[in-house]
Amino acid sequence: GESVGLHLPTLSVQEGDNSIINCAYSNSASDYFIWYKQESGKGPQFIIDIRSNMDKRQGQRVTVLLNKTVKHLSLQIAATQPGDSAVYFCAENMDSARQLTFGSGTQLTVLP
Amino acid sequence: DTGVSQDPRHKITKRGQNVTFRCDPISEHNRLYWYRQTLGQGPEFLTYFQNEAQLEKSRLLSDRFSAERPKGSFSTLEIQRTEQGDSAMYLCASSSQNYGYTFGSGTRLTVV
Repeated sequence: GESVGLHLPTLSVQEGDNSIINCAYSNSASDYFIWYKQESGKGPQFIIDIRSNMDKRQGQRVTVLLNKTVKHLSLQIAATQPGDSAVYFCAENMDSARQLTFGSGTQLTVLP
Repeated sequence: DTGVSQDPRHKITKRGQNVTFRCDPISEHNRLYWYRQTLGQGPEFLTYFQNEAQLEKSRLLSDRFSAERPKGSFSTLEIQRTEQGDSAMYLCASSSQNYGYTFGSGTRLTVV
C-alpha cells in the first residue's frame, strides 16, 4: 500500500546550525501532513502541520515546506538546540479526522 | 486539562495473560485513536472512535484485541492471551474536527 517514507534515518547537526529533515510521500490524495517529535520513552509531540492548499507554514523556529508536485515534505529547524535531539516523524492522511500514516522516522542528533 | 493520559505507563506480563490499557483523551475531543509502535518504527494505526462508535479497525487488530469507548470519553484497549509479538508501545491520541492529533505518552508493554 501507499506509505510515507523518510530520506535519511539519521541526521547530525552542530548546535546553532539549521536542520532540514525530509520526507517523501506517495499518496497524492493526502491533504493533511503533520510533523511530530518523539523523545525516548515519550509519545509523539505535535510540532507543526500543513494542509495541501498551502506550500509553506511557519511556527516558532520551525518551518514546514510542502511540494505537491514531487510529493515532498520538509521540516526546517532554525538554530538547532540540544533539546531538539529526538526522532522526527512525518505523517499524512486524507481526512483530518481519520488515521495517520507515519514514516519510519529520522533521528536528529545535535552536537555541542 | 493536561492532555491525553494513558495508564499504566509500563506493563510487564507473562505470555498468555490478558492486559488492559486505559486512555483518557482531551475532554473536548470527540475522536480517539489507538496506535502501536515498535522500536525504530513509526506508529501504526489500530482503531478509531468517534464518540462511542468504533468506526475503523486496522487489520493489525487481531481477534485477541478489543477496544471500547463506552461513554464516548475514556477508552480501553484489551489484549487477550498475550504473545511476545505484542510487545510494543501502545499509543492513544485524540482530536476534534478542527484540531490536530494529540498523543499520550503511551503504555510500554513487555510480554515475557
